[in-house]
Amino acid sequence: DSGVTQTPKHLITATGQRVTLRCSPRSGDLSVYWYQQSLDQGLQFLIQYYNGEERAKGNILERFSAQQFPDLHSELNLSSLELGDSALYFCASSVRQGGNTGELFFGEGSRLTVL
Amino acid sequence: QQQVKQSPQSLIVQKGGISIINCAYENTAFDYFPWYQQFPGKGPALLIAIRPDVSEKKEGRFTISFNKSAKQFSLHIMDSQPGDSATYFCAATTAYSGAGSYQLTFGKGTKLSVIP
Repeated sequence: DSGVTQTPKHLITATGQRVTLRCSPRSGDLSVYWYQQSLDQGLQFLIQYYNGEERAKGNILERFSAQQFPDLHSELNLSSLELGDSALYFCASSVRQGGNTGELFFGEGSRLTVL
Repeated sequence: QQQVKQSPQSLIVQKGGISIINCAYENTAFDYFPWYQQFPGKGPALLIAIRPDVSEKKEGRFTISFNKSAKQFSLHIMDSQPGDSATYFCAATTAYSGAGSYQLTFGKGTKLSVIP
């Protein structure tokens, strides 16, 4: 158990809809990362938040947005969903206060299916 | 633009054999190279990592070999076991460029199957 919790584990929705994926990082970790995993593209970095602020942005579509709340949990919002958005979305956390090990701890992912 | 190229895409090894997975990178600013292991239905988990100031790191049956001049690194799994069957991802990042910045660039993964 990595200590990172993601909900929901599975989600089936229709094209054009909007969904929210939730992530609770490990206790004390300040950074949250979102990754998208698909069969042909592997693990693609979407966005990172550090202590509530956006730190880095990757290949995140404009239809997607994220935020990190004061209690450090994060949400990834996906809107105007398309078939191609079907994927496994992972959240990872790192960097406890007072030091770091360079390791990302991944949750078990949220599998999104868009029909 | 894929910054970390991983090969092979899949690998079948007999129990007791050596599994070798290779990765190449382009960005010379990368300063931390981890390998992650992912079992079906689970998230990736750190297996072993190396910094470019050493050429090899060994942890049990797992060894990373690093060639800075060639911008390549590889994972060797000695005495491969059926329990090692998983997908392996190499990755790279600029881990030491700033606090809290461990954005990883992953290779596309290698599905390893170890047969009895």
